[in-house]
Amino acid sequence: GQNIDQPTEMTATEGAIVQINCTYQTSGFNGLFWYQQHAGEAPTFLSYNVLDGLEEKGRFSSFLSRSKGYSYLLLKELQMKDSASYLCAVGDGGATNKLIFGTGTLLAVQP
Amino acid sequence: DGGITQSPKYLFRKEGQNVTLSCEQNLNHDAMYWYRQDPGQGLRLIYYSQIVNDFQKGDIAEGYSVSREKKESFPLTVTSAQKNPTAFYLCASSIYAGGTNEQFFGPGTRLTVL
Repeated sequence: GQNIDQPTEMTATEGAIVQINCTYQTSGFNGLFWYQQHAGEAPTFLSYNVLDGLEEKGRFSSFLSRSKGYSYLLLKELQMKDSASYLCAVGDGGATNKLIFGTGTLLAVQP
Repeated sequence: DGGITQSPKYLFRKEGQNVTLSCEQNLNHDAMYWYRQDPGQGLRLIYYSQIVNDFQKGDIAEGYSVSREKKESFPLTVTSAQKNPTAFYLCASSIYAGGTNEQFFGPGTRLTVL
């Protein structure tokens, strides 16, 4: 079966660092995406990993270990505007660009 | 400006009525997708289209129908056969239909059945 697990909710303090984990078990794998979604809005792309290792993009970094079926999104220097849901999605490895989404992690940044 | 538009943003319908949600993109993307989002659940794929005049069922296609007569447009009809249609509907597109590439999302339509 296809399964992607993320924590449901997390809380962090402004200026701190937070790590959001994602584990996956899928029949195929074509890469892993992280999206940010503010309440009632469209998801927006944050990062994409297809090879093992760390990808850094400003305050956000994403890590992938394919052998462990594991990824994390690291947010540094947290700001209040980072309060949102963070969605982990895996490319299912088929011939089409189908993504399998986790339930998302709701991050609350507190002053 | 290039992007994906969905209309309307909020939609109310009575039980037993069909309703069509609009999705238009001017990104010249080949592939388009419809997702449904419910509280506590991830995005679930309803239908997707890789090319004009072709579309495929996703994981939860029952009670929905689509068409892809133009590259830019991928409307979704929620029929009366859909037992629990109240949800947030998101349309997305990607430049290529194959491989793995970023999906761009529209602003969504929140459908409420009264």
